[in-house]
Amino acid sequence: GESVGLHLPTLSVQEGDNSIINCAYSNSASDYFIWYKQESGKGPQFIIDIRSNMDKRQGQRVTVLLNKTVKHLSLQIAATQPGDSAVYFCAENPSYKLIFGSGTRLLVRP
Amino acid sequence: EPEVTQTPSHQVTQMGQEVILRCVPISNHLYFYWYRQILGQKVEFLVSFYNNEISEKSEIFDDQFSVERPDGSNFTLKIRSTKLEDSAMYFCASSGSNIQYFGAGTRLSVL
Repeated sequence: GESVGLHLPTLSVQEGDNSIINCAYSNSASDYFIWYKQESGKGPQFIIDIRSNMDKRQGQRVTVLLNKTVKHLSLQIAATQPGDSAVYFCAENPSYKLIFGSGTRLLVRP
Repeated sequence: EPEVTQTPSHQVTQMGQEVILRCVPISNHLYFYWYRQILGQKVEFLVSFYNNEISEKSEIFDDQFSVERPDGSNFTLKIRSTKLEDSAMYFCASSGSNIQYFGAGTRLSVL
């Protein structure tokens, strides 16, 4: 059965489709944002970051969009692969710490 | 590729006992962190450490917690008297600039 606390939003996508994972942040003073991927039993793994003076940043198969007006981040994954299955966290970095969001579980259907 | 290593991977302890979780940060990094993640929940900041002192700590990091960099390579988290609610994954991270790199974590089980 489901464990207490496992109430992550889940995004299920077909292999090869694009994925969009959304995140809202809270602190207007944050000027640096990061997306992390966490696979089962592992620590968070850095994917991509963006500073508040940018609206968009692209990496390999990933794009992060930042909307400071509504305090919203999104992570776009192109051509989603089975290896992309994981929990994705956005994090804001207002000082000497990361403040993580609650995460989204990405499931990739074959 | 350099990585943050943590030992042990799993620590089982009795309530009230002291535990020390160990981390070897990436060698040229200067900033060190501890986070915890209760099962199924988000990662929570505990403490950051720079230049041999705490930079910032959260409300979770009370007097039962302490951190130390005993030598040039290790970074430890001590919990003096563990409670049941301390059961969680504990992650160490280090950074040279902005990006924090995480270890695989230590699962602490308090019985």
